[in-house]
Amino acid sequence: AQSVTQLDSQVPVFEEAPVELRCNYSSSVSVYLFWYVQYPNQGLQLLLKYLSGSTLVKGINGFEAEFNKSQTSFHLRKPSVHISDTAEYFCAVSGGSNYKLTFGKGTLLTVNP
Amino acid sequence: NAGVTQTPKFQVLKTGQSMTLQCAQDMNHNSMYWYRQDPGMGLRLIYYSASEGTTDKGEVPNGYNVSRLNKREFSLRLESAAPSQTSVYFCASSFSLGNEQFFGPGTRLTVL
Repeated sequence: AQSVTQLDSQVPVFEEAPVELRCNYSSSVSVYLFWYVQYPNQGLQLLLKYLSGSTLVKGINGFEAEFNKSQTSFHLRKPSVHISDTAEYFCAVSGGSNYKLTFGKGTLLTVNP
Repeated sequence: NAGVTQTPKFQVLKTGQSMTLQCAQDMNHNSMYWYRQDPGMGLRLIYYSASEGTTDKGEVPNGYNVSRLNKREFSLRLESAAPSQTSVYFCASSFSLGNEQFFGPGTRLTVL
């Protein structure tokens, strides 16, 4: 069985500040990890993914995430956020190509001027 | 490529009415999914189809049925709508079960 915990349901930050959205997972097999973003009244779109290889993954819009196997974490970071980054962010885990994704409950990032 | 398309975008039903939500993808994906999204609950999987010809229950299947019509299309049917089914419904597809999913724009359903 696999599960995902997003530790913060809401994260308010000021524009140009750094941000970290936390994600922890559990899985009994090897993992694929994903971060998705959902802007208001839209579907989810992929920000970045980890399948194998380098543990630091870079995605769109200046976001990056680091896979930490010992801490079973995949935290999302951005060094300087913009108002337009206001959205809900979902972490997801899969045990591999034969296992469907399990999504976390989401973190609402609000960037204030 | 249109990606994943869903119809309708909005729908209002009365309790007890039935309706079918349509989903189609043009990416030659094998797996398709239906989710519902409610405030504070994240995404909850209703049904999924790992490949053409197969369907399986997800986390919240009660009150819903699905049909994998062909490789491109996966529909969700509410036989007798209830107010508890008021939600935003998303269809998604992926090459296989563990791969990244591509989402449609959603259907906002209100049951009165």
